[in-house]
Amino acid sequence: QSALTQPASVSGSPGQSITISCTGTSSDVGGYNYVSWYQHHPGKAPKLMIYEVSNRPSGVSNRFSGSKSGTTASLTISGLQPEDEADYYCSSYTSGSTLVFGGGTKLTVL
Amino acid sequence: QVQLQESGPGLVKPSQTLSLTCTVSGGSISSGIYYWNWIRQPAGKGLEWIGRFYTSVNTNYNPSLKSRVTISIDTSKNQFSLKLSSVNAADTAVYYCARDERNIAGTAGVYWGQGTLVTVSS
Repeated sequence: QSALTQPASVSGSPGQSITISCTGTSSDVGGYNYVSWYQHHPGKAPKLMIYEVSNRPSGVSNRFSGSKSGTTASLTISGLQPEDEADYYCSSYTSGSTLVFGGGTKLTVL
Repeated sequence: QVQLQESGPGLVKPSQTLSLTCTVSGGSISSGIYYWNWIRQPAGKGLEWIGRFYTSVNTNYNPSLKSRVTISIDTSKNQFSLKLSSVNAADTAVYYCARDERNIAGTAGVYWGQGTLVTVSS
């Protein structure tokens, strides 16, 4: 299975909104509504931010939202805050009953 | 609150078997209720899903690692484990264990351990 495709980096200023894309195939992102997004601060455990494309776990800020169109999923962060600076990964369930991650996107808050 | 903690040797020789354990607290480890996952991250690279255990007949592995990986649970110790055979330098990474949650499907984990670094070197 091939890793999902994410931009290597994105940036934004505090208060702005950014969107991170996650492109797969019909065998993963396009075939199932099981796309998740994780926030990862280096040296810490990854944190689940979005599951099943657009659902937020309890305790995750509503500034984080997810969507999907075809084989591309997206994570949008609105009202950027300095603490949002982190690496973000998408993952998807696949037709092989496995999971696959994206390559990761480094978010810089300017 | 569920907590997970990885443990195991930090240094493994090439061609040997890497063995890690994830100890679960704040909840019981059991078969057929949750998915118990292993994920790794080589230095400077992204997350890679290794595999997951649901039941003894419902265990899934990354196709690129499938021939070398075994994930199992030990309910008596409230632990689950990862064994990766015939390791080489490319297996050097921080290894994470994780568990999903009921009603949160298709994710590598809701609860994660802090990760443990394993270096493959002679």
